[in-house]
Order: sequence, then C-alpha cells, then structure tokens
Amino acid sequence: GENVEQHPSTLSVQEGDSAVIKCTYSDSASNYFPWYKQELGKRPQLIIDIRSNVGEKKDQRIAVTLNKTAKHFSLHITETQPEDSAVYFCAASNPPSSNTGKLIFGQGTTLQVKP
Amino acid sequence: DGGITQSPKYLFRKEGQNVTLSCEQNLNHDAMYWYRQDPGQGLRLIYYSQIVNDFQKGDIAEGYSVSREKKESFPLTVTSAQKNPTAFYLCASSMGQGNGYTFGSGTRLTVV
Repeated sequence: GENVEQHPSTLSVQEGDSAVIKCTYSDSASNYFPWYKQELGKRPQLIIDIRSNVGEKKDQRIAVTLNKTAKHFSLHITETQPEDSAVYFCAASNPPSSNTGKLIFGQGTTLQVKP
Repeated sequence: DGGITQSPKYLFRKEGQNVTLSCEQNLNHDAMYWYRQDPGQGLRLIYYSQIVNDFQKGDIAEGYSVSREKKESFPLTVTSAQKNPTAFYLCASSMGQGNGYTFGSGTRLTVV
C-alpha cells in the first residue's frame, strides 16, 4: 500500500526566514496531496493541497510543489512568523483503484519559529 | 464547530470500563474516520467508514469498535480490551476518494 515519508521531524528557523518540509510517497497512482497544520492540543487543519495534474500551488506565504516523476512534494513557508509554529503533516491519497478514500499521513514535522 | 463535532472534550475511564466517543457531522460527507494520536506522535488510523452500515479496520483496530447506523454519526467505543487507551482521539470526515479531511476538535481520553 501507499507509504509516506516526511522530513525533517523537527525544524527550527528564525522569524522571517523560509521553511521547507519534504515528503515522498510510494504509489505513483496517488493523485491528491494535502498539508495539515496542527497547533498544540488542537485539531489538524487543512492549509493547502495539490492535485497530480498541477506542479505548484501558492496561497500567500505558503506554497506546495509536486514532482510526480520523483514522487515527492514539498511545503514552502516564506517570511515565517511565530504563529507558524506548529506540527505540519503531509498526506497522500490512496490510489483511486483502492476505492477507500483514505489519506496516508506522514509522521509530522514540528516547526519552531524563533522571534 | 467546523461542521464536525466530537464529544466529550475530556473523558476519564476506569480500568476495565468501556467508553464511547461521539462524532457527528453535518457536512453531508459519506466517509468518516477515527484516528489516535499519542503525545508527540503522528496519526494512526483506527477505523473508517465509506458509507452507512459499512466500516473497515484501520491499522490499530484491536480493542476498539465502531458503528455507522446514520450518515451523520460514527461513534467509537474504546473497550476494556484496549490496554493503553490514554490518547487524543480525532474524528474526521470527507467526501471520499481524492478529497481532504475535516477534523473534529478531538477527545482526550485518560485512564484513571
């Protein structure tokens, strides 16, 4: 089945710097890749997603890139702010042929933005 | 509360006791999911349901049970067979294949 690896597990940056989190997936038939942000003690919330027919998507300070050939996708946060500090999860959809609708999550990255 | 409501927010269970966590959604989503999250850890799938009256085991189903009698509701029972139930439990729903999840606010279960 699908497997998702996420790196790094922790990331510390200075306020204003950029942060990049990378994920790789195993099944080339996966076609949907969301990113979730989870603040301490709260629910994960969708911050951006990308489908396999698109290479890049931006929303203000965040962007996601997808390389289908290499089977990896990345989250880019520019001009980081202390409120960006959280755990970030990437995910990949199970292939359509599985007909399960499940997302396979990465292990999470704890981002700390230092003021 | 974002269209998907979990209750209670905090729950305390005695040894040998079964407890049920509630999850209700008004998003008209077909699929619903239960995840367990341990401190500093990722999300582990317990059970999921793609349609009413049908559900499948996830990666860590032992000691848990679910039902899906209504589209809106997907309760999770933590049975006495679950030896280490202390965790943060998250319910989610989605429109199905190729769509993201909406998560509930979670239930924090503690064994006392």
